[in-house]
Amino acid sequence: GQNIDQPTEMTATEGAIVQINCTYQTSGFNGLFWYQQHAGEAPTFLSYNVLDGLEEKGRFSSFLSRSKGYSYLLLKELQMKDSASYLCAVPTDSWGKLQFGAGTQVVVTP
Amino acid sequence: GAVVSQHPSWVICKSGTSVKIECRSLDFQATTMFWYRQFPKKSLMLMATSNEGSKATYEQGVEKDKFLINHASLTLSTLTVTSAHPEDSSFYICSARDLKGQGYSNEKLFFGSGTQLSVL
Repeated sequence: GQNIDQPTEMTATEGAIVQINCTYQTSGFNGLFWYQQHAGEAPTFLSYNVLDGLEEKGRFSSFLSRSKGYSYLLLKELQMKDSASYLCAVPTDSWGKLQFGAGTQVVVTP
Repeated sequence: GAVVSQHPSWVICKSGTSVKIECRSLDFQATTMFWYRQFPKKSLMLMATSNEGSKATYEQGVEKDKFLINHASLTLSTLTVTSAHPEDSSFYICSARDLKGQGYSNEKLFFGSGTQLSVL
């Protein structure tokens, strides 16, 4: 089975940096996804990590440590529009079949 | 533009009626599609895997007679919520894998825009 844990909520001010951690336990490993989801909308892809290390994409970066079963999503220069739920997800026994964490609600304040 | 089209975006129905949700891949063939359900402030929970030309595979605890899935073509999967009840009110999202996809890459996995179902 798979187990994915991430914090429920985080609050930060505009312009700040926030790091969302995700720990996972999987029987096999085929990478880890991060998605952003605004209320009432479908998830939007942010990143996919399959190798250890940090991958940077503009204001968002994602880190993976396979030996520790740990990933984080780093959001820099926070903007109000970044207020959303951030979902950590791992593929299960079938390609494309994802198990999602409960999501971390990020609240950006002025 | 959107590569997976999901309709309707929202639907309100009376208790006891059935509702059909369509998930269509627009510019690729998808032998496999996935249906998720999401309750307010909760994460996406996989309901079933839709397989073109064969029976869907349901996750544990999901009633196959309640949630009928049909995947009659390489571009269309439908989810029918039969005899809907208020507890079925939820956000339903589909995803589809590009048939040409190799390995685990997001470029080959696409989500629909979701359907908000409200059962009165």
